[in-house]
Amino acid sequence: EVQLVESGGGLVQPGRSLRLSCAVSGFNFDDYAIHWVRQVPGKGLEWVSGINWNSDDIGYADSVKGRCTISRDNAKNSLYLQINSLRPDDTALYYCARSSGFISTNKPFDFWGQGTMVTVSS
Amino acid sequence: SYVLTQPPSVSVAPGQTARITCGGDNVEKKSVHWYQQKPGQAPVLVVYDDTDRPLGIPERFSGSNSGNTATLTISRVEAGDEADYYCQVWDTKTYQYVFATGTKVTVL
Repeated sequence: EVQLVESGGGLVQPGRSLRLSCAVSGFNFDDYAIHWVRQVPGKGLEWVSGINWNSDDIGYADSVKGRCTISRDNAKNSLYLQINSLRPDDTALYYCARSSGFISTNKPFDFWGQGTMVTVSS
Repeated sequence: SYVLTQPPSVSVAPGQTARITCGGDNVEKKSVHWYQQKPGQAPVLVVYDDTDRPLGIPERFSGSNSGNTATLTISRVEAGDEADYYCQVWDTKTYQYVFATGTKVTVL
């Protein structure tokens, strides 16, 4: 069974940093690109970042560029998102989701995790 | 950046057909993916590459893409189809994925 499980969310003060994790199982992790997508409660979906299987194809949304770093450890079947200089508008549920190929080949996100909530507030 | 536009809401009676549009500049040149999201749940892919359905998605869900509008069609709507629906594309110019703001489908 394909599973993606996010962790690392919580309440954090503005300006601080946070590292989110996504642990996967049930498929060959290094055959897939993985993405972070966030959703403010009650609002729509926003793609945050994506990384292909060997980390040589990476993209970021304008809203997080320069503040976020996506990475993966294929040996641990894990994906990470480091978010620095957190702002209140980063408050959202953060999902990880998989796609095939390079992130730039417009492949659909066929499996999603259940998300981890990040709340940025003083 | 590339913008996708969806109507905020669509209402449909059970058994009828719901059509959800996704507008974008020359969107027919892009492959459009569609997701269904029910309250408290993660999104689920229902149509990809404009017209294809993942395994397990009913044939009642279909897609098309022409000109400046992609459309998700739900035939013979059921109460369980009530959800938010999002279209998505890859924007080659900005190297980013783009989601539209979503459409809430209400089954009357």
